[in-house]
Formats: sequence, structure tokens, C-alpha cells
Amino acid sequence: NAGVMQNPRHLVRRRGQEARLRCSPMKGHSHVYWYRQLPEEGLKFMVYLQKENIIDESGMPKERFSAEFPKEGPSILRIQQVVRGDSAAYFCASSLAGSNYGYTFGSGTRLTVV
Amino acid sequence: DQQVKQNSPSLSVQEGRISILNCDYTNSMFDYFLWYKKYPAEGPTFLISISSIKDKNEDGRFTVFLNKSAKHLSLHIVPSQPGDSAVYFCAASDRSNDMRFGAGTRLTVKP
Repeated sequence: NAGVMQNPRHLVRRRGQEARLRCSPMKGHSHVYWYRQLPEEGLKFMVYLQKENIIDESGMPKERFSAEFPKEGPSILRIQQVVRGDSAAYFCASSLAGSNYGYTFGSGTRLTVV
Repeated sequence: DQQVKQNSPSLSVQEGRISILNCDYTNSMFDYFLWYKKYPAEGPTFLISISSIKDKNEDGRFTVFLNKSAKHLSLHIVPSQPGDSAVYFCAASDRSNDMRFGAGTRLTVKP
């Protein structure tokens, strides 16, 4: 199954540590999207990337959060100096070329900040 | 700024009856709409979509209706089955290609 792979599935970090979430898109997909789901809330758009480019980061918090999708390797969502409010499920999706083809989602990374 | 709204957080229906999930949007630039289904501890999976040039799209037990003038879409599931119990997300996109999701509706189909 060459679907969207996210790792780790579960990540526990202490306040102030860094969290790195990885996403390998489906084979052939060059568009990657990150979403966050807070407890009891829907999916909130964070960032849209193509290879080596950030296309739309309007949903990213201004501080501590960054994302990249290098030419080689997975997309990385990085959260520096995590706080309890960062605890959430983070989903990555990929697509061939835009949302009209539909997104394929990974199973998510559940981040818990203690 | 919630551009896609699902005002019903939950819905419960009897097996065999129709489930109707509703979604409203505010951005008139949206031209493509999708429904995703999500089980616990899994990522959302694509269910059905509709382009703004249509007002209905049907796929088996699932039908999506779009009312552009009201900026409203709905998902009909008939007949509902217990395996349909999940959280359903409405999503919309414009030419920028990134998608906005509603808060989700938890559907419970009782046997």
C-alpha cells in the first residue's frame, strides 16, 4: 500500500522540546498539505507545499511552526518549544495536482505535550 | 475565519433510513466541494465530490446536492447502514487548490 505515510503515529514531548512530524506523500504526488485537528474540532488547514516551495502558509501559527518539502525526502512539520496547546492530531495529505483530484490523507500523528 | 460550516455536530439515524448531513459555505470563489469520512484513529478518506457546474452527484447510496445560490450542500446516505457511523467532513476549494474543511458531523447509525 503506497499511501500517504506519516510517522510517528504517536509522539510525546515535554513542554519546550521540539516536535518533528514526517509525511511521505503517495508515489507521484507533488502537492502536500498539513492539517491540524484539535480535540472536538474539525480539520484546520495549516500549510500547502509543493517540492521546495511553500504555496500557502496562511494557516500556520506565526511563531514556532515551520514546514518544508525538500526535493528529496519527506515533508517535515516542525514545532519548536512545544506547549500544551499544541497537543492535537496532525494530518498530512497529498495530491497529484490540486484539490480537484481529491486529497489522500495519512493516518495522522497524534502529538501529546506533557 | 470559518469559511465552511457544519452546524450539526452530531446526527443519529435508524438503520435503513436516510441520513442527511448539511454544510454551508461563505466563500463564493469555492468551485469544488467534497465530503470525507473519518473513523477514529484513521485519516479522512474521500467519499464523494461535486463541481460547481453541477447541482447533484450520485454514487451508490451517496448523493451530494449543491445549491449555489444558498451556498449550501448536503450529503444524503440512503439506506443508512451501521458501518456508515463515522465523522463526516465537508470540504471546499477554490483555484488556489488548498481545501477548507468544516468542523465535522458525527453520524451514528443505530441497528
